[in-house]
Amino acid sequence: NAGVMQNPRHLVRRRGQEARLRCSPMKGHSHVYWYRQLPEEGLKFMVYLQKENIIDESGMPKERFSAEFPKEGPSILRIQQVVRGDSAAYFCASSPADSRNQPQHFGDGTRLSIL
Amino acid sequence: AQKVTQAQTEISVVEKEDVTLDCVYETRDTTYYLFWYKQPPSGELVFLIRRNSFDEQNEISGRYSWNFQKSTSSFNFTITASQVVDSAVYFCAIREGGSSNTGKLIFGQGTTLQVKP
Repeated sequence: NAGVMQNPRHLVRRRGQEARLRCSPMKGHSHVYWYRQLPEEGLKFMVYLQKENIIDESGMPKERFSAEFPKEGPSILRIQQVVRGDSAAYFCASSPADSRNQPQHFGDGTRLSIL
Repeated sequence: AQKVTQAQTEISVVEKEDVTLDCVYETRDTTYYLFWYKQPPSGELVFLIRRNSFDEQNEISGRYSWNFQKSTSSFNFTITASQVVDSAVYFCAIREGGSSNTGKLIFGQGTTLQVKP
């Protein structure tokens, strides 16, 4: 399966813990986008990364959230000191180098539940 | 700023009925791309169609068709002869195409379609 791979599919954390969500883009894709879907809502853009660079983080909460896309390995969305309001589905999408006119292919998402 | 409005929160139809999902968008850019995605109960996002702003030709794919009208800033989606498997949340999205644009998608709130047998 050469699609966008996200893991884990489900993640449960207690308040105050850290959550790490992983995303491996499609083969040949160098651009990664993270989106968050709160319950009963649409998807909201969080951050856009290329290898080793954050290009647009205008949708990221100012505190506790960070993202990276290292030269080797998957992209990581990290949430520190999680709170109940972080419970959501987090989707990763990837696209080829020229992303503006290419559809973004999404992973199956990570459902984060905060106890 | 870009915005996508899907005014229909929920739609319920009986199998074999036709159904149209509305999508109205706002953008100041002259070049942009419109998308529809399907999110079935299993939760994944399935890409359905992309349409760029300079191609107003309508498109048909099996039971699915899309009506793009720049004059009304709408990109509506019709399912003909709906089936129970069409039950899902459908999202319309826009992406601007300017050289400074990063390619992020702006999604509507989604329309939940329930097709009853």
